[in-house]
Amino acid sequence: RKEVEQDPGPFNVPEGATVAFNCTYSNSASQSFFWYRQDCRKEPKLLMSVYSSGNEDGRFTAQLNRASQYISLLIRDSKLSDSATYLCVVNRPGTASKLTFGTGTRLQVTL
Amino acid sequence: EAQVTQNPRYLITVTGKKLTVTCSQNMNHEYMSWYRQDPGLGLRQIYYSMNVEVTDKGDVPEGYKVSRKEKRNFPLILESPSPNQTSLYFCASRAATTGRQPQHFGDGTRLSIL
Repeated sequence: RKEVEQDPGPFNVPEGATVAFNCTYSNSASQSFFWYRQDCRKEPKLLMSVYSSGNEDGRFTAQLNRASQYISLLIRDSKLSDSATYLCVVNRPGTASKLTFGTGTRLQVTL
Repeated sequence: EAQVTQNPRYLITVTGKKLTVTCSQNMNHEYMSWYRQDPGLGLRQIYYSMNVEVTDKGDVPEGYKVSRKEKRNFPLILESPSPNQTSLYFCASRAATTGRQPQHFGDGTRLSIL
């Protein structure tokens, strides 16, 4: 089983739609979780950290479910500019410095 | 402006010709790391450094070397590049050595080894 798994997509949604991505992780001892956004051929950029109680940043909501070992990202009122690949990132327990990146879920928002 | 700078951005070269990709950060970050990104495989860590003169292997270190003589610089060295090292490379840094801090990435270096 991969350390971090994501549905590669693509998710094609109309502007204004709500879309959700899930990501599962294999190590129950993982403590740090992030969503990064990557535009085509560009560097990954932090979208948001994921906290145990869940957190929201404008149209974006991140949730963590430790029991089922998955994190989710919800995007409300999708914009064309949300089109990108969304990377799920989890720290590797026992190694203070290592992060494991999922392969990403591609989102395409259309008119 | 806080940034991670990689050079070159693009390089096409031939098998066996040594090359170095430079990485520099101006945020006084302790932790720096190199990744490669390949289709279907995501970002994989090559090497990382937790401080000056402290480096360690990531998940795919074979064929690469690094050094950390100064805090701001973390060059990636390919002593004898091969075609399977054709990839998109990212350098990253973060403030602390724990995994709880987000990473700042450079713009990427696209290497093609013929």
